Amino acid sequence: DAGVIQSPRHEVTEMGQEVTLRCKPISGHNSLFWYRQTMMRGLELLIYFNNNVPIDDSGMPEDRFSAKMPNASFSTLKIQPSEPRDSAVYFCASSFGSPLHFGNGTRLTVT
Amino acid sequence: LAKTTQPISMDSYEGQEVNITCSHNNIATNDYITWYQQFPSQGPRFIIQGYKTKVTNEVASLFIPADRKSSTLSLPRVSLSDTAVYYCLVGGAGRRALTFGSGTRLQVQP
Repeated sequence: DAGVIQSPRHEVTEMGQEVTLRCKPISGHNSLFWYRQTMMRGLELLIYFNNNVPIDDSGMPEDRFSAKMPNASFSTLKIQPSEPRDSAVYFCASSFGSPLHFGNGTRLTVT
Repeated sequence: LAKTTQPISMDSYEGQEVNITCSHNNIATNDYITWYQQFPSQGPRFIIQGYKTKVTNEVASLFIPADRKSSTLSLPRVSLSDTAVYYCLVGGAGRRALTFGSGTRLQVQP
């Protein structure tokens, strides 16, 4: 079991650029979650999917953020345009029921 | 949302037992209690989950009193590698079960 795989591990980009974060969940898991972690706000749930369908996106900060899950083995979180306040560690997690299994995150820096 | 309250930080020494208590006064009937551990530069990792009384696995024990308004994570004989942030989550399904609080930062000293 390779665990949840996220790419890239680090991303540095300039304000205004588009950023795409990628996640491969654990095979067989039917739920996928995107979290964001900052010192100020801790771990925030952005959106989650069940069986590839978005269930709750109330945590997505604004329209600049979008997430897709085209199939059971892949999801993306896109920020367009990116802003310095989007700098954070973004985690993807997957599960089949409970508990959550997290990837090691993507550290995003927007300058 | 089921609000949880944990100590912000705790200090311990190697070899000691550490107990971290989480308060969740408004826990619902079908809510479970789940604990995660997070090391720097890693995602949270599941430790243990329980509904009532006591649960034990190879890593920790979870004690839940009859009223279920609190729970205690017990780490036996901690080592330096147990230095991490520990989160208590309460919920049955949906966003309630997926909300992380501020966690408890455990520092283990030699």
